[in-house]
Amino acid sequence: AQSVSQHNHHVILSEAASLELGCNYSYGGTVNLFWYVQYPGQHLQLLLKYFSGDPLVKGIKGFEAEFIKSKFSFNLRKPSVQWSDTAEYFCAAFSGGYNKLIFGAGTRLAVHP
Amino acid sequence: SQTIHQWPATLVQPVGSPLSLECTVEGTSNPNLYWYRQAAGRGLQLLFYSVGIGQISSEVPQNLSASRPQDRQFILSSKKLLLSDSGFYLCAWSVLAGGNEQFFGPGTRLTVL
Repeated sequence: AQSVSQHNHHVILSEAASLELGCNYSYGGTVNLFWYVQYPGQHLQLLLKYFSGDPLVKGIKGFEAEFIKSKFSFNLRKPSVQWSDTAEYFCAAFSGGYNKLIFGAGTRLAVHP
Repeated sequence: SQTIHQWPATLVQPVGSPLSLECTVEGTSNPNLYWYRQAAGRGLQLLFYSVGIGQISSEVPQNLSASRPQDRQFILSSKKLLLSDSGFYLCAWSVLAGGNEQFFGPGTRLTVL
């Protein structure tokens, strides 16, 4: 079955630390990849997306993600996190062959001042 | 601009009672519409999606049903709620089928007692 795996369920960091959240997907063909974020009490919103082209994608709030096709990965990074980045992060993948958006289980990030 | 509304925001219902959750989208025509259930540590599970009025696809067998009586209205229902129906329900829309970004509503927190 098609799946999306997020390696860490909970991450705790101090402000200014670097962040990398892992995401792997199991689709074999062309995929569209997404990272969504859910801040406490807010809507789920898009951080960034990859459809094609440059595998290094820039998103909002200083986030970026790199698509590595050979590793079926789409890891999310931020060089220096802030307290306001405390949220839950979801990786998602869409394949036309499967025709639906599959979400990972999510990673809860807590950033301490 | 496009907006998506869900109501109610929270709901507490007894076991065996009926359910009706409503989702409406403004500012776009003929959207694809989705109902998800979000469970802690398990990501988002797609329940239903619709590509047009009266067209509903069900992803998992369950105690719930969905209807789309108007272009921008999507309703999640149940005739008799079960304890296991408790959860956080999200509605989402997209412009193109599946592959493009999905925009999420604020969600409904349902507690079945």
